[in-house]
Amino acid sequence: AAGVIQSPRHLIKEKRETATLKCYPIPRHDTVYWYQQGPGQDPQFLISFYEKMQSDKGSIPDRFSAQQFSDYHSELNMSSLELGDSALYFCASSGGHGRSTEAFFGQGTRLTVV
Amino acid sequence: DAKTTQPPSMDCAEGRAANLPCNHSTISGNEYVYWYRQIHSQGPQYIIHGLKNNETNEMASLIITEDRKSSTLILPHATLRDTAVYYCIVNYGQNFVFGPGTRLSVLP
Repeated sequence: AAGVIQSPRHLIKEKRETATLKCYPIPRHDTVYWYQQGPGQDPQFLISFYEKMQSDKGSIPDRFSAQQFSDYHSELNMSSLELGDSALYFCASSGGHGRSTEAFFGQGTRLTVV
Repeated sequence: DAKTTQPPSMDCAEGRAANLPCNHSTISGNEYVYWYRQIHSQGPQYIIHGLKNNETNEMASLIITEDRKSSTLILPHATLRDTAVYYCIVNYGQNFVFGPGTRLSVLP
């Protein structure tokens, strides 16, 4: 079965550079979530989209932005990167908007800022 | 939004049942209980979810108390590959809020 695809899997950037992470949801899933997981921490919710519109916002820094495109894939844009942005970034997708729909996670993008 | 409380760690012998508890005393009537696990920096893996009835799938069983203030995830025959951090999440809207979870160690 198709899963959530994230690219790239690994990314190394220097401070103050920009990065773009991509997420391709499971086919026919219309909701995408982004999470950040720092070393030794639990996943923290950043932002989510439903039908290409932002549906919820968590602890996403102002330097980050995201969008969901017409084909439902999503991109997380990160600017003015800081050392503290080094983390695993997970994308998840679900097949419906609501409280009874499970979300499936991708394998993540490991971002290292040097 | 409801919060959950889980023991920080548990051990289980290989081949035995692992019973992971979760308290969610402030859960509201239409909120679901979800369980995910994360194996060593892989993406969180969905296990099971339920509203008020007990649920079972190929991975686990979920027992929710009648007052819905707590639940237990049961892995019937734990294997070494079940060693992971298990997260109990009450879903209140569009996203899933991860708490500290329970680190389950399955011992040979």
